[in-house]
Amino acid sequence: QVQLQESGPGLVKPSQTLSLTCTVSGGSISSGSYYWSWIRQPAGKGLEWIGRIYTSGSTNYNPSLKSRVTISVDTSKNQFSLKLSSVTAADTAVYYCARDADYGGSNAFDIWGQGTMVTVSS
Amino acid sequence: DIQMTQSPSSLSASVGDRVTITCQASQDISNYLNWYQQKPGKAPKLLIYDASNLETGVPSRFSGSGSGTDFTFTISSLQPEDIATYYCQQYDNLLITFGQGTRLEIK
Repeated sequence: QVQLQESGPGLVKPSQTLSLTCTVSGGSISSGSYYWSWIRQPAGKGLEWIGRIYTSGSTNYNPSLKSRVTISVDTSKNQFSLKLSSVTAADTAVYYCARDADYGGSNAFDIWGQGTMVTVSS
Repeated sequence: DIQMTQSPSSLSASVGDRVTITCQASQDISNYLNWYQQKPGKAPKLLIYDASNLETGVPSRFSGSGSGTDFTFTISSLQPEDIATYYCQQYDNLLITFGQGTRLEIK
């Protein structure tokens, strides 16, 4: 079955760019009508949707982060990526990638990566 | 933006109890509401989609209802393995938001 795995640096300096990659295994990132999303969760807090990408390349971003976020896809590598610029300590969180599936009514996150902790600190 | 107000923020119940969590949207979202379970140190797991549909493989003691702005998530008979934090999530084509979460503990 399809599995997702996040990868990237666990420590990023303030003002720098956070870069993460999600590798999709067990299926093609291009098959089916799926969006691919990034979601984050600060320690002890709730979930925040960052944004998503369709395999065509079209994107939607959370307006609160839009000016700093770029999500891209590399179908040849079965991966999609997140870049978050000008990070501060407030961006410290567990970052999840997730498959965003069309259930006919709403979309729902039906498959998640295990999450990767990113700390912003000098 | 559509705001989701989830309550209670925490809940303590006994094994076998019926547990209910509510989620209220700031505007009509039809049935575009999903529920997730998150255990400590783990990624969330989809339980209910489109307000009332049980995801494949999820035990039938979990259920959801509601439409418009008011939604309910129910565990009919609480089991020890249900200890987790539960989140509602609304789907708007341009912005997806989660409720604040409900931490469920065993009494």
